[in-house]
Amino acid sequence: DTEVTQTPKHLVMGMTNKKSLKCEQHMGHRAMYWYKQKAKKPPELMFVYSYEKLSINESVPSRFSPECPNSSLLNLHLHALQPEDSALYLCASSQDLVRGAHGYTFGSGTRLTVV
Amino acid sequence: SQQGEEDPQALSIQEGENATMNCSYKTSINNLQWYRQNSGRGLVHLILIRSNEREKHSGRLRVTLDTSKKSSSLLITASRAADTASYFCAGDTGGFKTIFGAGTRLFVKA
Repeated sequence: DTEVTQTPKHLVMGMTNKKSLKCEQHMGHRAMYWYKQKAKKPPELMFVYSYEKLSINESVPSRFSPECPNSSLLNLHLHALQPEDSALYLCASSQDLVRGAHGYTFGSGTRLTVV
Repeated sequence: SQQGEEDPQALSIQEGENATMNCSYKTSINNLQWYRQNSGRGLVHLILIRSNEREKHSGRLRVTLDTSKKSSSLLITASRAADTASYFCAGDTGGFKTIFGAGTRLFVKA
């Protein structure tokens, strides 16, 4: 299995809702990432987990809360989001923080719309 | 901003022609990767070139890296309509972070 699976593919949520994005990989990768991407822009790093521990938090607002329950799963919990948080949220994994010849493996993303 | 720069921002060519995209960066990198992204989808890893390498090939792809000029180029030969996508360069820094370029939107006309 050489995929990163993200669910849901699309999500519309109100500003008072609580929702979660899920990401799963079974490649034995020990580093997992959340990226945010706005239209026609490159991905922006949000969080990095290495061996299930949070390694990097790029000063992301607390309304985004990551969780890594085990080495295969990565969640992003959302609460009280703003319309400007609407974006494509990408999960990625790599063998470890020192990325090997295959770089990142990205999921297809969750298209989030905050209304 | 630590974002890398890519040029051109957009490129439109005929099927069968070659496409060249350039990437420049400001900080030292351990390696440089190129990714393809179809509209609204995830990024697909194309090729990685390490800082001690100058050129690398993979199928119709040729990547060069000039660390003295802090620049890289991606050449796609004999382009196909299916190559239509956005292409991003991405450099891994010593802090385990990756700096992505702004991207080049390639349109290949059939």
